[in-house]
Amino acid sequence: SQQGEEDPQALSIQEGENATMNCSYKTSINNLQWYRQNSGRGLVHLILIRSNEREKHSGRLRVTLDTSKKSSSLLITASRAADTASYFCATDADRDDKIIFGKGTRLHILP
Amino acid sequence: KAGVTQTPRYLIKTRGQQVTLSCSPISGHRSVSWYQQTPGQGLQFLFEYFSETQRNKGNFPGRFSGRQFSNSRSEMNVSTLELGDSALYLCASRDWTGSNEKLFFGSGTQLSVL
Repeated sequence: SQQGEEDPQALSIQEGENATMNCSYKTSINNLQWYRQNSGRGLVHLILIRSNEREKHSGRLRVTLDTSKKSSSLLITASRAADTASYFCATDADRDDKIIFGKGTRLHILP
Repeated sequence: KAGVTQTPRYLIKTRGQQVTLSCSPISGHRSVSWYQQTPGQGLQFLFEYFSETQRNKGNFPGRFSGRQFSNSRSEMNVSTLELGDSALYLCASRDWTGSNEKLFFGSGTQLSVL
């Protein structure tokens, strides 16, 4: 079963614009992570935010977390063609610490 | 350090057959997780092994099984293959010392069931 749900399912923007993806989840968590996947390959970890943090930055990435709304957002600023990929949020669900992924947002950067 | 290695990269099987996929984690990582990825369902958690013990299990039928060896390498087996088992199977390892929950993924095994 999915713990996280990303929104939108797909997003196309012009190169240079900012891209925002959202993730909602169902249960309480210890942390939330974002991953990127390029066309049928393995996922690459982008950033982790803990439940007691509200915002985190890494290069052109900005992640926010609102535990009261059980939601997170990933902002990619000044998008580049190389950012074209699928983006997944992942949460550690229940006390077993297994990491559960959403269905992802497909991001396409237009030249 | 070498990354997570999955073999084989591609597999073609027919219905009713069985298949074994292999995963070698990053050196020093004792946790290995397996995921099934399909276009409609996204990534579905199969199971996680830690120090040769299954620590967590997803909602898959008993045809899906796995094991982990003393060197942390893991295998997953699918018996009596069905067409719906066609998917990208991803393996991921993590360090799990302290509070490091980050997963490192292999490139996956693309399984096609005909």
